[in-house]
Amino acid sequence: QKEVEQNSGPLSVPEGAIASLNCTYSDRVSQSFFWYRQYSGKSPELIMSIYSNGDKEDGRFTAQLNKASQYVSLLIRDSQPSDSATYLCAVKWAASEKLTFGTGTRLTIIP
Amino acid sequence: DTEVTQTPKHLVMGMTNKKSLKCEQHMGHRAMYWYKQKAKKPPELMFVYSYEKLSINESVPSRFSPECPNSSLLNLHLHALQPEDSALYLCASSRGSRGGTEAFFGQGTRLTVV
Repeated sequence: QKEVEQNSGPLSVPEGAIASLNCTYSDRVSQSFFWYRQYSGKSPELIMSIYSNGDKEDGRFTAQLNKASQYVSLLIRDSQPSDSATYLCAVKWAASEKLTFGTGTRLTIIP
Repeated sequence: DTEVTQTPKHLVMGMTNKKSLKCEQHMGHRAMYWYKQKAKKPPELMFVYSYEKLSINESVPSRFSPECPNSSLLNLHLHALQPEDSALYLCASSRGSRGGTEAFFGQGTRLTVV
């Protein structure tokens, strides 16, 4: 059983629209949640971190965490072609340095 | 500064070679990681050094061996690799659980085993 799950996509969104990416995780004591963006052939780039329930906004990005339902999401407003990438959800469990990634969602923004 | 530096960027090696990948950070981070990533797959954790303690993914074969000379450096020694070991090898670092948990990646080493 996978510990972190994402819809692999591909997800296609028109330019200027809102892209919504979702991630669920298994029932373990979790602590920290992250969204990474990865362009083809490049390394993952941290775009958002969230540690407590609720929303966290940073520019066009909003991360949402619901620990009771065990999901974390990422909203990208006013999507741009440069947002086209694979988005990786990652979870770090409490009392552990292990960072576990979901399978990633490939997002394509259509001009 | 969130820079993690990996060298080399590209490496081609034969199955009988011995080589090393290097990773360096000067952010005072106390946790460093090696990940392996195959095409269209997520990064897979190989090793974690945290506060001088090594944690190993039990599925990693012994032809990969990490070395942490000091808290800023993390090497990955490669010996007798197989073609299926060809992948992008990623190093990351974080402050560690005692001081925040965001992890930052280097640009990776693209390894090809021939």
